[in-house]
Amino acid sequence: SYELIQPPSVSVSPGQTASITCSGDKLGYKYACWYQQKPGQSPVLVIYQDNKRPSGIPERFSGSNSGNTATLTISGTQAMDEADYYCQAWDRSVVFGGGTKLTVL
Amino acid sequence: QITLKESGPTLVKPTQTLTLTCTVSGFSLSTNEGGVGWIRQPPGKALEWLALIYWDDDKRYSPSLKSRLTITKDTSKNQVVLTMTNMDPVDTATYYCAHSPGMAAAGTVDFDYWGQGTLVTVSS
Repeated sequence: SYELIQPPSVSVSPGQTASITCSGDKLGYKYACWYQQKPGQSPVLVIYQDNKRPSGIPERFSGSNSGNTATLTISGTQAMDEADYYCQAWDRSVVFGGGTKLTVL
Repeated sequence: QITLKESGPTLVKPTQTLTLTCTVSGFSLSTNEGGVGWIRQPPGKALEWLALIYWDDDKRYSPSLKSRLTITKDTSKNQVVLTMTNMDPVDTATYYCAHSPGMAAAGTVDFDYWGQGTLVTVSS
């Protein structure tokens, strides 16, 4: 079965750029999306179809997908961005990555 | 405005069948306005997709859980129902339903609106 691999944790200083990766076989040939989940809350879609932002998502969130890796980039990271982030793709079924805890310190 | 709300039991016993209902508003289950999926999350763990149903009754299931799952819709009630048989304590999780605007056939599956989730505990 298809797998998406994410680093368990990423740390970033406020105002800096955070990059969270998601690896999967030939992932670049599929659409990837990203969700943000804060404690006790439902996930929120922040990037879809590799690099599109839903309405209401700040411009500091961006995405890319090429080769075997999709990347979520948060520019000018703010304390409010501290959360768990999940990548997701479709490969004959919905596949989620294991999640990455982003710490802003 | 699209909203989804999950309902069902908070506690089930091992071997029982779980039935969860997702009541939706802001879009139609009978026209081409996307689909509804079920996703669960055990406490402290990652998201896991379960099933997806589209307006044309196209149904997709997680390969690892397919034998235990059934997803249906009732367009007159604006509801999507998920049943999971033979529940086990490892199935303890928050269960979410979510709207998917794309199409599995096109490879564009993502979830843009989520319900608040409902915690289901499996214990005797």
